[in-house]
Amino acid sequence: EPEVTQTPSHQVTQMGQEVILRCVPISNHLYFYWYRQILGQKVEFLVSFYNNEISEKSEIFDDQFSVERPDGSNFTLKIRSTKLEDSAMYFCASKPRQGSYEQYFGPGTRLTVT
Amino acid sequence: DAKTTQPPSMDCAEGRAANLPCNHSTISGNEYVYWYRQIHSQGPQYIIHGLKNNETNEMASLIITEDRKSSTLILPHATLRDTAVYYCIVPGGTSYGKLTFGQGTILTVHP
Repeated sequence: EPEVTQTPSHQVTQMGQEVILRCVPISNHLYFYWYRQILGQKVEFLVSFYNNEISEKSEIFDDQFSVERPDGSNFTLKIRSTKLEDSAMYFCASKPRQGSYEQYFGPGTRLTVT
Repeated sequence: DAKTTQPPSMDCAEGRAANLPCNHSTISGNEYVYWYRQIHSQGPQYIIHGLKNNETNEMASLIITEDRKSSTLILPHATLRDTAVYYCIVPGGTSYGKLTFGQGTILTVHP
């Protein structure tokens, strides 16, 4: 069964450094998402991406964040200058079509900012 | 998104049915009810969704009341692997498919 994959599984970085989190969505899916979950808190929506552009973003997704689909398979989340409060699990998700909220999530990347 | 209310936690014995309630009294006529679960820090997993008829798949059944103000997710024979946080979500129809997660119900299945 196809699945969303994410790399790395765990990333440790120092405050102020740039990080890139990588995702490979399911191959025929058209809509892509990033969510994050700070330890012990709710899963929070960050951004949705369709047709090579951001379709919606949350207040969390400020100028420090960017997303890109550099080729036909990868979907990346970049944090330009990490802060301590960016420490969280980051989940990528994808779905095949409009009108459905059935999303397929990856296993997540645990980001630790020291 | 319509607001949903779920109990913070529930227990269930292994092999018994787990019935997880959700209240969504402000749901509008064309909004679906979606259920997801998250097993200990893994990515959320889609379970099932419905509009007004009862639905069943290989994972669970979804019972939606006639007035659509509440629903129940049923795991017919809970196993230890069903221990997870279960989220009831009523997404709005105007966004590009984002999901808004609440606190959900922590279901603990006991041996």
